[in-house]
Amino acid sequence: SAVISQKPSRDICQRGTSLTIQCQVDSQVTMMFWYRQQPGQSLTLIATANQGSEATYESGFVIDKFPISRPNLTFSTLTVSNMSPEDSSIYLCSVERSDDFQETQYFGPGTRLLVL
Amino acid sequence: QKEVEQNSGPLSVPEGAIASLNCTYSDRVSQSFFWYRQYSGKSPELIMSIYSNGDKEDGRFTAQLNKASQYVSLLIRDSQPSDSATYLCAVNDGIFNKFYFGSGTKLNVKP
Repeated sequence: SAVISQKPSRDICQRGTSLTIQCQVDSQVTMMFWYRQQPGQSLTLIATANQGSEATYESGFVIDKFPISRPNLTFSTLTVSNMSPEDSSIYLCSVERSDDFQETQYFGPGTRLLVL
Repeated sequence: QKEVEQNSGPLSVPEGAIASLNCTYSDRVSQSFFWYRQYSGKSPELIMSIYSNGDKEDGRFTAQLNKASQYVSLLIRDSQPSDSATYLCAVNDGIFNKFYFGSGTKLNVKP
């Protein structure tokens, strides 16, 4: 498995501001992922972050709104920019590890964001 | 559009019974299948993975995979109130190494 931490664990933010979420993993990983989980919903992939290259965004998510950094193999940040109440959600980072020669994803504890 | 379908529930079972959770997926080339448990307010926690047709057992949990029917299930034997959670089915597409998640089934185990 993997030991993953996220900061902050929760925050309440004002409309129009930005929040940067940090994700730290206990050992080097190639692939890190950022998901959003809105209340009562399943997980939606925002983007995939590989070290040394630009993040790959899923349909409906753009870099200007969700800029991502991946400065090394154990760390990534996701910024939620110019927030609106619709951005209220849980934001999760995950990492990929090989278990039994298959790629498996493990999740951090999540960041609970409320935008007023 | 790759889809992973789950019955949203809630599925209610009495303590000690077998809980059966089901998942279907649309993409025939999918290679790896996962069950995650998510307690309210917490992040998903991996319970089991399965890659080959048939059954895979781990303690009280058994995952079943039928690739021909594009169907994967999770059985929880001797269900406990602590098993009450939302169970997410996930599929790795096997090409782009991307995970697709179902909407989850909420399980209630009644004491």
